[in-house]
Amino acid sequence: ILNVEQSPQSLHVQEGDSTNFTCSFPSSNFYALHWYRWETAKSPEALFVMTLNGDEKKKGRISATLNTKEGYSYLYIKGSQPEDSATYLCAFSTSYGKLTFGQGTILTVHP
Amino acid sequence: NAGVTQTPKFRILKIGQSMTLQCTQDMNHNYMYWYRQDPGMGLKLIYYSVGAGITDKGEVPNGYNVSRSTTEDFPLRLELAAPSQTSVYFCASSYQGGSQPQHFGDGTRLSIL
Repeated sequence: ILNVEQSPQSLHVQEGDSTNFTCSFPSSNFYALHWYRWETAKSPEALFVMTLNGDEKKKGRISATLNTKEGYSYLYIKGSQPEDSATYLCAFSTSYGKLTFGQGTILTVHP
Repeated sequence: NAGVTQTPKFRILKIGQSMTLQCTQDMNHNYMYWYRQDPGMGLKLIYYSVGAGITDKGEVPNGYNVSRSTTEDFPLRLELAAPSQTSVYFCASSYQGGSQPQHFGDGTRLSIL
């Protein structure tokens, strides 16, 4: 059974703060690592799919890095805004797209 | 462009009843997936399909069946509903397996009483 762990479980920050979360996954048989943002009462929305060791992806104020040798990925949010409040999920993917999700990090950005 | 459409949005079933959760996508994606979301347990993969006529089990397939007769549709069937199947169900699709992002439907909230 694959074990994908995210930390912290929840995070409260003030508007304008920068923050980061961690996703840990098995380093063997790596294919891809997905990040999703999941807002309350909506469905998960893809942020990044990362496949190569050392990958860095950026989308606006959000960026992610990947270390497949040690089995971790970081998601960074620069200058958090209240609209960034959501659950951030990472998922370990096989070649068929079978995703094993972590429990998620719940981010709350206070105005 | 509708994306991934799930019906119904809400349903209450009695124990032992059966039902089919519908999922259709209009993006011509080959890969489709069914997940369930349980409180504190995250999203778990039930079944997936890599193309019409091909399906395979995910992490939690017991109590469910799927079929994939067309590229667009991937229905999920519950044959004998049990309280443990109370959950929110999400259907997703992707163009090309694990290297592509998955697009999720809005979910079906199912309660078994």
